[in-house]
Amino acid sequence: QKEVEQNSGPLSVPEGAIASLNCTYSDRGSQSFFWYRQYSGKSPELIMFIYSNGDKEDGRFTAQLNKASQYVSLLIRDSQPSDSATYLCAGRRGFQKLVFGTGTRLLVSP
Amino acid sequence: GAGVSQSPSNKVTEKGKDVELRCDPISGHTALYWYRQSLGQGLEFLIYFQGNSAPDKSGLPSDRFSAERTGGSVSTLTIQRTQQEDSAVYLCASSLDGGEGRGGMETQYFGPGTRLLVL
Repeated sequence: QKEVEQNSGPLSVPEGAIASLNCTYSDRGSQSFFWYRQYSGKSPELIMFIYSNGDKEDGRFTAQLNKASQYVSLLIRDSQPSDSATYLCAGRRGFQKLVFGTGTRLLVSP
Repeated sequence: GAGVSQSPSNKVTEKGKDVELRCDPISGHTALYWYRQSLGQGLEFLIYFQGNSAPDKSGLPSDRFSAERTGGSVSTLTIQRTQQEDSAVYLCASSLDGGEGRGGMETQYFGPGTRLLVL
């Protein structure tokens, strides 16, 4: 079992819809979680991080964390074609390395 | 500099040759990380530096891989006797510190990567 698991997708949504990206993790010692966006051929860029149970909102993005279920999600409201990318979920224990999932490819159609 | 920089951006080498990959972190960032991303795969951790020391080398795949960091800034990842399976994008990231004081919430900022192809 991988430490961080994501559905590889692609997840296809129409423009303006809500995209829901999900991630589960196995290490209960993980304290913080990060969502990165990676366009093809580019390096990952941070969207959000979350460390407390519940929701955290930033513009069109909402990260959700449920430590009891070991589940992290990212909601993208009013999806745009420019949101089409691979979304990487990562967990981190203390000051240690990020452990990444393999990413979910999102396709937003006009 | 404004961001993490890496060089070269692309490297093609022959099997058995040694290669050196360089990373310049964001100025003032004490923590530096190397990751590897193979085609269609997620990022795989290689090594972490705090200052010039490497508390975590657990991700280095074999003894052909080594890394050093000098002056608390530039880092070099060296791959000796390269093999075809070493072909990947090698990404460097830096953060303000290792996150010890903030429960691991320090953001890691990634460089553009070095695309390595071993023929």
